[in-house]
Amino acid sequence: TQLLEQSPQFLSIQEGENLTVYCNSSSVFSSLQWYRQEPGEGPVLLVTVVTGGEVKKLKRLTFQFGDARKDSSLHITAAQPGDTGLYLCAGAHGGGFKTIFGAGTRLFVKA
Amino acid sequence: DAGVIQSPRHEVTEMGQEVTLRCKPISGHDYLFWYRQTMMRGLELLIYFNNNVPIDDSGMPEDRFSAKMPNASFSTLKIQPSEPRDSAVYFCASSLQGSGAEQYFGPGTRLTVT
Repeated sequence: TQLLEQSPQFLSIQEGENLTVYCNSSSVFSSLQWYRQEPGEGPVLLVTVVTGGEVKKLKRLTFQFGDARKDSSLHITAAQPGDTGLYLCAGAHGGGFKTIFGAGTRLFVKA
Repeated sequence: DAGVIQSPRHEVTEMGQEVTLRCKPISGHDYLFWYRQTMMRGLELLIYFNNNVPIDDSGMPEDRFSAKMPNASFSTLKIQPSEPRDSAVYFCASSLQGSGAEQYFGPGTRLTVT
């Protein structure tokens, strides 16, 4: 069974703090995605990483794909209340069509 | 484009009743996915279609669940008979390509079975 484990499961921080969430697997993925889901809505894609060691930045968010393409991290600098939501990582294998989702990290940023 | 459209947004039904969830994918997307999300199990893929053909239904929990895609612009997920453990948020998503492509999710249908 291919699993994506996310940690922590829940994170509550003050506005302005930095944080990192992790996505780990024993499987190698051809690509990995991060989605954010807000209450009452469906997940929305933030980024896709495809190359081992790749780093992508999206404003205050920094995404990294592990060298072995088995893990990824999301770092948020100076978190804001608008960053509150459920962060999901999703892994895909080349040639297959099933994307595997992790259970998510639920982030709450207090003003 | 209006994005992925799902209906109804909320459904409350009694155990044993038939439930039909509907989805209109984004025009031009060849892949359609049905997911179920609960606090306990997270986001689970139930079934996906490519060009209206079911490709993988290994995530469908039981024979009580069935899905159809009669044309490129419409899909249904049916539960018959429904049970309280089916209570969850059901999402439909579509994408231009398969594995690794961006999936566009609908707003979901919150199903409560009493």
